[in-house]
Amino acid sequence: DQQVKQNSPSLSVQEGRISILNCDYTNSMFDYFLWYKKYPAEGPTFLISISSIKDKNEDGRFTVFLNKSAKHLSLHIVPSQPGDSAVYFCAASGRMNNNAGNMLTFGGGTRLMVKP
Amino acid sequence: DTEVTQTPKHLVMGMTNKKSLKCEQHMGHRAMYWYKQKAKKPPELMFVYSYEKLSINESVPSRFSPECPNSSLLNLHLHALQPEDSALYLCASSPSAGGPNEKLFFGSGTQLSVL
Repeated sequence: DQQVKQNSPSLSVQEGRISILNCDYTNSMFDYFLWYKKYPAEGPTFLISISSIKDKNEDGRFTVFLNKSAKHLSLHIVPSQPGDSAVYFCAASGRMNNNAGNMLTFGGGTRLMVKP
Repeated sequence: DTEVTQTPKHLVMGMTNKKSLKCEQHMGHRAMYWYKQKAKKPPELMFVYSYEKLSINESVPSRFSPECPNSSLLNLHLHALQPEDSALYLCASSPSAGGPNEKLFFGSGTQLSVL
């Protein structure tokens, strides 16, 4: 059973417009959420994160919103640029009490295409 | 230095070969990870090393053998792999093991093809 879901496998947006990528989770123990950007045959690059004690975090063109009651988060990119075209992964983690490591659970990814 | 370096970038091996993937970080991170990613799928956790000790093994077959020689290095030894093991193998690190609100830093990965 997928604990983190990205229901839109792809999204196409015109340059300059807003891109909204969505993510849902089921595990109430998740308390930290991250967005990674990934190009083919490369490792994921960290983009932005949000702690469960917040409902919004902004970094330049990127804003992440968290709705804990709905177990939903979204990434807003505005304005979108052609260089933003990539696969975006939502990931979630919960506090490990035994110092075993920070396990990230990834969603299936959304391929964003920004058209010039 | 904020990089996780993986070598080689590409690897082709036969099912009888023995090979190793290497990962290195010099950020002083105390947790290191191996993930496997198949095409059009999300990364899946394989192993976690915390303070140089194996802390999590996600039921990975024994043909994959991890090793953490020191806090900066992580290896993945491969033996008798199957064609379905072909994937992108990603190494990652994080500052501490189990600390709150930590992000993982990923390497560029090793694209492995098993013939």
